[in-house]
Amino acid sequence: DMKVTQMPRYLIKRMGENVLLECGQDMSHETMYWYRQDPGLGLQLIYISYDVDSNSEGDIPKGYRVSRKKREHFSLILDSAKTNQTSVYFCASSPGQGADTLYFGAGTRLSVL
Amino acid sequence: QQKVQQSPESLTVSEGAMASLNCTFSDRSSDNFRWYRQHSGKGLEVLVSIFSDGEKEEGSFTAHLNRASLHVFLHIREPQPSDSALYLCAVSYQGGRALIFGTGTTVSVSP
Repeated sequence: DMKVTQMPRYLIKRMGENVLLECGQDMSHETMYWYRQDPGLGLQLIYISYDVDSNSEGDIPKGYRVSRKKREHFSLILDSAKTNQTSVYFCASSPGQGADTLYFGAGTRLSVL
Repeated sequence: QQKVQQSPESLTVSEGAMASLNCTFSDRSSDNFRWYRQHSGKGLEVLVSIFSDGEKEEGSFTAHLNRASLHVFLHIREPQPSDSALYLCAVSYQGGRALIFGTGTTVSVSP
């Protein structure tokens, strides 16, 4: 069963705390993505990873960093979280390196107080 | 940069009536268009992908692409209440390495 799994599903943090969002996929997909979804703004691309240790900034990378040490696992890190990083974060994967069909996880709802 | 806009913002249709959604984009050179659906509190599922002008049907969903007019439409045939969701248009950009999404159309299907 092809799956993208995100952990945790819900997270509440205080401003200034560090945040780690995890994403895993069992399809051996090369490319993985992190998006955030906000009302009125749609989904915005934060980072793309083309393979292990091959990461590229998306449209809104400021305040975020990523780590991909294994092909099936892609992490999003917020060092010293800010209130404007409250959002729903989606991880996605795709088989190739282009904009193939993206397979999405169920999302992580992050609240930064 | 590629811009993607969707209309209407929300749409209510009766069960069984055709629903039509509109997506406009700004870069005529794009060749990769997808419609996704997102039920409340869930992730996104792809409905139909289209890569050339014309129509592409997947089950009860039909995408219609007209690059000259910068439009891609989604028609939902005989929608059911379970089709109530947010529908998102996605277009390739940055040399085809990623998808840019519209803000979506919320569809409500009444029994």
